[in-house]
Amino acid sequence: QGQLVESGGGVVQPGRSLRLSCAASGFMFSNYGMHWVRQAPGKGLEWVAFIWYDGSNKLYTESVKGRFTISRDNSKNTVYLQMNTLRAEDTAVYYCARDDSSGYFGSWGQGTRVTVSP
Amino acid sequence: DIQMTQSPSTLSASVGDRVTITCRASQSISRRLAWYQQKPGQAPKLLIYKASTLESGVPSRFSGSGSGTEFTLTISSLQPDDFASYYCQQYNTYSMYTFGQGTKLEIK
Repeated sequence: QGQLVESGGGVVQPGRSLRLSCAASGFMFSNYGMHWVRQAPGKGLEWVAFIWYDGSNKLYTESVKGRFTISRDNSKNTVYLQMNTLRAEDTAVYYCARDDSSGYFGSWGQGTRVTVSP
Repeated sequence: DIQMTQSPSTLSASVGDRVTITCRASQSISRRLAWYQQKPGQAPKLLIYKASTLESGVPSRFSGSGSGTEFTLTISSLQPDDFASYYCQQYNTYSMYTFGQGTKLEIK
């Protein structure tokens, strides 16, 4: 099934940057697309970004386009989310998730919390 | 964009009850729908994909049905471990993956 472990969350001021990491193990990471999904406090799930298995294509939800960048290093079995110009509304738990069969999330990490506050 | 609407938002039920949660898509998504369970403080867990295929290890009391725009998740006999939040998710469009707003299943 595999394991995903996120890191890099924390408290950051509006307008600043943060980079999240997600380390994968237990499966052939380079064969899978990867997603980031977030959940604001007390709210539902929101898909954020997706990267193809080889990094050749990337997709983003509209609210983060131009501010967030998803990337991956298959030699390190790690996917990243670079978050720039952070806003209060980006406050959430961020999960990485494995893309199984083109679109559903078969395996999830435990999440890393990001708080954007003055 | 495809919108996903779940109902009800909250559901109160007792152990042993049969419960159904509905998810409606704003346009046809064929059978490209998944269901997740999430407990407080935990990551979501995949229950069902392709509208009705049970993920390995998920108890058979969970089932999914539907196609096009209307889908259901049914729990045939509620167990104490089932009280959680449930989300549907469409993956019919590659540019956007959309979740329903969630259904909180509470103990009556």
